[in-house]
Amino acid sequence: KQEVTQIPAALSVPEGENLVLNCSFTDSAIYNLQWFRQDPGKGLTSLLLIQSSQREQTSGRLNASLDKSSGRSTLYIAASQPGDSATYLCAVRLPGSNYKLTFGKGTLLTVNP
Amino acid sequence: DTAVSQTPKYLVTQMGNDKSIKCEQNLGHDTMYWYKQDSKKFLKIMFSYNNKELIINETVPNRFSPKSPDKAHLNLHINSLELGDSAVYFCASSQEQGSVNEKLFFGSGTQLSVL
Repeated sequence: KQEVTQIPAALSVPEGENLVLNCSFTDSAIYNLQWFRQDPGKGLTSLLLIQSSQREQTSGRLNASLDKSSGRSTLYIAASQPGDSATYLCAVRLPGSNYKLTFGKGTLLTVNP
Repeated sequence: DTAVSQTPKYLVTQMGNDKSIKCEQNLGHDTMYWYKQDSKKFLKIMFSYNNKELIINETVPNRFSPKSPDKAHLNLHINSLELGDSAVYFCASSQEQGSVNEKLFFGSGTQLSVL
């Protein structure tokens, strides 16, 4: 059974700092991995999707890496801004899993002005 | 402009009642989902429909009955509500079903409180 763990559960940083969020998963035979952002009272927004054959994906100040063999992914946020404050969730999909994603509990990020 | 919209946003009701949550997507996607986020913040899939056909039923109690009148709509009806049903329910949709690039687009959630 796939389990996804995110560390830390919460993180508070001053504006401008670079930071790393961690995600680990128990079954390395994943199909893809996605990072989502969840704002209070709102749904999830997909930030980055990494295919199993890829090592990283970049979008603006965000960079996500994937190391399947060790069951880890990181989300790097450069030059953090108060608007980055949100909960960041990691989700993996296994092959043949009927398009089902397994989510972590998320990391609550607060960027202080 | 809303891509995936669900109503109501908040739902407060008594135990034993029957309630429905509606979801509509205007993205032209073929696949729609219902996810449940419990008090511990875990998001778990409940159902998935592709072109109005059920493809995932994640051993959800049969008090929960999804209905897809067309591929743009997936409604969730809940009978005989229980305290443990209190959670945030998210609707989602995707286009590239089964593709390694399949991305999900989520609605803003319905917070259900059963008293």
